[in-house]
Amino acid sequence: GAVVSQHPSWVICKSGTSVKIECRSLDFQATTMFWYRQFPKQSLMLMATSNEGSKATYEQGVEKDKFLINHASLTLSTLTVTSAHPEDSSFYICSASRLAGAYNEQFFGPGTRLTVL
Amino acid sequence: SQQGEEDPQALSIQEGENATMNCSYKTSINNLQWYRQNSGRGLVHLILIRSNEREKHSGRLRVTLDTSKKSSSLLITASRAADTASYFCATVDRGSTLGRLYFGRGTQLTVWP
Repeated sequence: GAVVSQHPSWVICKSGTSVKIECRSLDFQATTMFWYRQFPKQSLMLMATSNEGSKATYEQGVEKDKFLINHASLTLSTLTVTSAHPEDSSFYICSASRLAGAYNEQFFGPGTRLTVL
Repeated sequence: SQQGEEDPQALSIQEGENATMNCSYKTSINNLQWYRQNSGRGLVHLILIRSNEREKHSGRLRVTLDTSKKSSSLLITASRAADTASYFCATVDRGSTLGRLYFGRGTQLTVWP
């Protein structure tokens, strides 16, 4: 159990276009979902935290108008990169969290490789 | 969103040898977790150790936690070529309601056959 999927697994787009990435918890309802980005050979940087039905909380330095997050249900969150530019090329990873006893357990998706030409 | 530092940044060993990675952090934590990431893939949860625990084992993995020094170590015994990956520690702050993870920079482990 506790599987998180992401779609697409990779995407190549032209500069100026928008790209939507989906994150789904397949067999559990997630209290919270997190979005990270990761540059090559670097660690995961948290972009935003989202809860179902409420606005996402963005980390400092992350443009909320550029990285739109919609958390429509307890099993689905989407990240839309608007007007993508080459510097947005990165590996985007989501995680879904559920309460397990006294702590929140996070399960990670397989990631989406975005390349902006 | 980083708070930890892993040491070393890169580690290269032969199959059969043990691999030790260290992680330091700065805050009071609820728990510390270790993850593995193969190149270009998502994260795989390896082990979680709570702040009141000092040592934990899972198969060939041994994790220690020293809250007085704010440090943790991950030992992989009898390493295999398939253990080649990046390893990250991540902490959850004490009192965190969402369980937000703060990741370290990671250690790139290469195990040569």
